[in-house]
Amino acid sequence: GQNIDQPTEMTATEGAIVQINCTYQTSGFNGLFWYQQHAGEAPTFLSYNVLDGLEEKGRFSSFLSRSKGYSYLLLKELQMKDSASYLCAVLLRGAGSYQLTFGKGTKLSVIP
Amino acid sequence: DVKVTQSSRYLVKRTGEKVFLECVQDMDHENMFWYRQDPGLGLRLIYFSYDVKMKEKGDIPEGYSVSREKKERFSLILESASTNQTSMYLCASSPRVGQPQHFGDGTRLSIL
Repeated sequence: GQNIDQPTEMTATEGAIVQINCTYQTSGFNGLFWYQQHAGEAPTFLSYNVLDGLEEKGRFSSFLSRSKGYSYLLLKELQMKDSASYLCAVLLRGAGSYQLTFGKGTKLSVIP
Repeated sequence: DVKVTQSSRYLVKRTGEKVFLECVQDMDHENMFWYRQDPGLGLRLIYFSYDVKMKEKGDIPEGYSVSREKKERFSLILESASTNQTSMYLCASSPRVGQPQHFGDGTRLSIL
């Protein structure tokens, strides 16, 4: 079956750097997405990795290693508004279709 | 900006009722999706559609059906609502496979 793991909760200090890891054991891998979801709101797209390496987008970066089944989301210069859940999602190719499968999400709390 | 609109933010229904959840997107996206989100379980895919009148089962289709008569509209139907279908339901759309999904604000459905 498909398995996507990420920590349930993390806490970090305002201004610091935090790394949220995601490991996956899947078949038919076609890319990995990161989404941010504030409490009571819809998930919003952060990043997409399909090739190995680091993708940087402002304070946020995402890394992928396909051989290791591993990704991380790096948040720099943390702000209070970064308190949210971060969802790792793997795009999988099945028999004739593609499907996005989500991890359970990591709830990040940023403290002063 | 992409707009994905779900018809209701909150909905309360009775066991055994037939329930319709409506979703409309305004960006001519090919793909549309229905998820449910439960604490500790994350986002799980119920059904998706790659084109008008086409539908594919996701990971948890039991007890649900969908309808896509027009490209912009994707409806989720609970044929006979049960209490275990109490959940947050999220609709999403994307232009093509591999493109980021854009989510609606969600419908919090309670089945009594």
